[in-house]
Amino acid sequence: EAAVTQSPRNKVAVTGGKVTLSCNQTNNHNNMYWYRQDTGHGLRLIHYSYGAGSTEKGDIPDGYKASRPSQENFSLILELATPSQTSVYFCASGDALGGRSYEQYFGPGTRLTVL
Amino acid sequence: QQKVQQSPESLIVPEGGMASLNCTSSDRNVDYFWWYRQHSGKSPKMLMSIFSNGEKEEGRFTVHLNKASLHTSLHIRDSQPSDSALYLCAANTNTGKLTFGDGTVLTVKP
Repeated sequence: EAAVTQSPRNKVAVTGGKVTLSCNQTNNHNNMYWYRQDTGHGLRLIHYSYGAGSTEKGDIPDGYKASRPSQENFSLILELATPSQTSVYFCASGDALGGRSYEQYFGPGTRLTVL
Repeated sequence: QQKVQQSPESLIVPEGGMASLNCTSSDRNVDYFWWYRQHSGKSPKMLMSIFSNGEKEEGRFTVHLNKASLHTSLHIRDSQPSDSALYLCAANTNTGKLTFGDGTVLTVKP
């Protein structure tokens, strides 16, 4: 089965600090995605990538950066964390062909609390 | 920005009953819908997808799609307590991205 792992699983950060969330996939999928999920909401796309070296802005990119150094790894970086970024973050991998997205496989999530 | 609206926000059905969940997109470029299920504290997992008009059945789950109205629905018959979860609808356009709705929380009462 497709495997997506995330680290850390839980993180407490201070306001103004730098936070890096990491994601690794062994599916050899070209596309990777970062979402956040807040209570009462679905998944909102922060950044995504079509392959190593590429990053694209999603629907809510402000306050976040992303890095895709290899096919397997995709990081989400909060340079100056704020309490409004307290959330559960999910990484996903999947393929797309001709613009059509195929099934996305999600990691277990990272619960981030910014104090 | 495309919006995906799901209804109802929450739904309670008795064990063995039928659950019906709805989803509509505001983007006429949508050509593919996905349904994901997320149990409490877990990550979303794909349940079913549909891109053709009509219906698709897999076991107790049936998905309908009306492309003219950009409306899809998920029906779960003989609902079980293990079906209790957040159900997320997602729409795909030719951008390769998915846009998710806010979900429907289904509770199946024994």
